[in-house]
Amino acid sequence: KNEVEQSPQNLTAQEGEFITINCSYSVGISALHWLQQHPGGGIVSLFMLSSGKKKHGRLIATINIQEKHSSLHITASHPRDSAVYICAVYGGATNKLIFGTGTLLAVQP
Amino acid sequence: EAQVTQNPRYLITVTGKKLTVTCSQNMNHEYMSWYRQDPGLGLRQIYYSMNVEVTDKGDVPEGYKVSRKEKRNFPLILESPSPNQTSLYFCASGWDVNTEAFFGQGTRLTVV
Repeated sequence: KNEVEQSPQNLTAQEGEFITINCSYSVGISALHWLQQHPGGGIVSLFMLSSGKKKHGRLIATINIQEKHSSLHITASHPRDSAVYICAVYGGATNKLIFGTGTLLAVQP
Repeated sequence: EAQVTQNPRYLITVTGKKLTVTCSQNMNHEYMSWYRQDPGLGLRQIYYSMNVEVTDKGDVPEGYKVSRKEKRNFPLILESPSPNQTSLYFCASGWDVNTEAFFGQGTRLTVV
């Protein structure tokens, strides 16, 4: 079993829909990252969380440390949100970054 | 502009021919790291560095070397590349492991 699990693996939505991507992890962590990768493109850091909730524009990220779970929400989705979203955690006693396998999001007009 | 710069962006090479992928950041970050990304496997950490002259192995260090002689640069060295090192490589930097990470544009390496 992977230490970081994302769901769903693939997601297709209609423009304007509210989207949720989930990330569960099995290790103790000091921080959790949400990353965005457009097709053929580089990786952009969206959020770094250690507790609570953060919001940036239409994106909201939450984390529940006790339940070892984080969610990334996109409100009023748009085709330009189509990308791979990757969850990554810094595992407890190490300085290594452990990645989920990503969620491929396609937002159709 | 704050950025992480990788070079080259694309590289095709032959088995056994030593190569270096450079990574440079202009944000005075202490933490730098290298990752490879492969279909179905996602991103995996190769090596990381907590500061100058401090480096450590990630999850897939075999076949790679790194050095951190100065804070801004963190080159990835493949002494004898093999076809299984064909991959998309990313360098990243940050203040430390608990802060936002900045990624380079990626280097697509093909070893034939």
